[in-house]
Amino acid sequence: QQQVKQSPQSLIVQKGGISIINCAYENTAFDYFPWYQQFPGKGPALLIAIRPDVSEKKEGRFTISFNKSAKQFSLHIMDSQPGDSATYFCAASKGPRRDNDMRFGAGTRLTVKP
Amino acid sequence: SQTIHQWPATLVQPVGSPLSLECTVEGTSNPNLYWYRQAAGRGLQLLFYSVGIGQISSEVPQNLSASRPQDRQFILSSKKLLLSDSGFYLCAWSSGGAPNEQFFGPGTRLTVL
Repeated sequence: QQQVKQSPQSLIVQKGGISIINCAYENTAFDYFPWYQQFPGKGPALLIAIRPDVSEKKEGRFTISFNKSAKQFSLHIMDSQPGDSATYFCAASKGPRRDNDMRFGAGTRLTVKP
Repeated sequence: SQTIHQWPATLVQPVGSPLSLECTVEGTSNPNLYWYRQAAGRGLQLLFYSVGIGQISSEVPQNLSASRPQDRQFILSSKKLLLSDSGFYLCAWSSGGAPNEQFFGPGTRLTVL
């Protein structure tokens, strides 16, 4: 069952613009929300993550906004660059637990045009 | 620092042939280990996870199996491959102390013909 819904499926942004990717989750027990960046032919790399005790987390040009009441979180990429062109996955899990319950969104293919 | 290796990087196999993909982790002990499959242009589907040697949990029934013969080694196998087994296979690990944070290997591209 799809517990994390991600949108849009694809996104085209001009260089210097803001890229916004949204995710919604169903299980209120989730308490860890990471974003992964994946380049073609490579494994996903952990980009940034947030826990529900904060509403926003910023690392460089990447910001996660979290809305616990709406069960939504989003990734904002400021000053988007062509090198940011990749597929981005959101995920959600509950823990800490040694077993796995990480649920991934379907991914968003971001293209940043120069 | 921790590193995760997968091999082979690419593999082309005929239908009905066996499969063995290997994943090893360095720089950590007693990791949680995971196998995912990623179909073209799609998200990640968890296949198996392991919290210790010989402990394997399966998320979905399928033509594949997994084994963990050593603490930092995770193997994905099949006795007879199907066309539908084609995909990008990813191994991941997480620490027992921070099990939420999963780190992925470089992946194996499997094509079944």
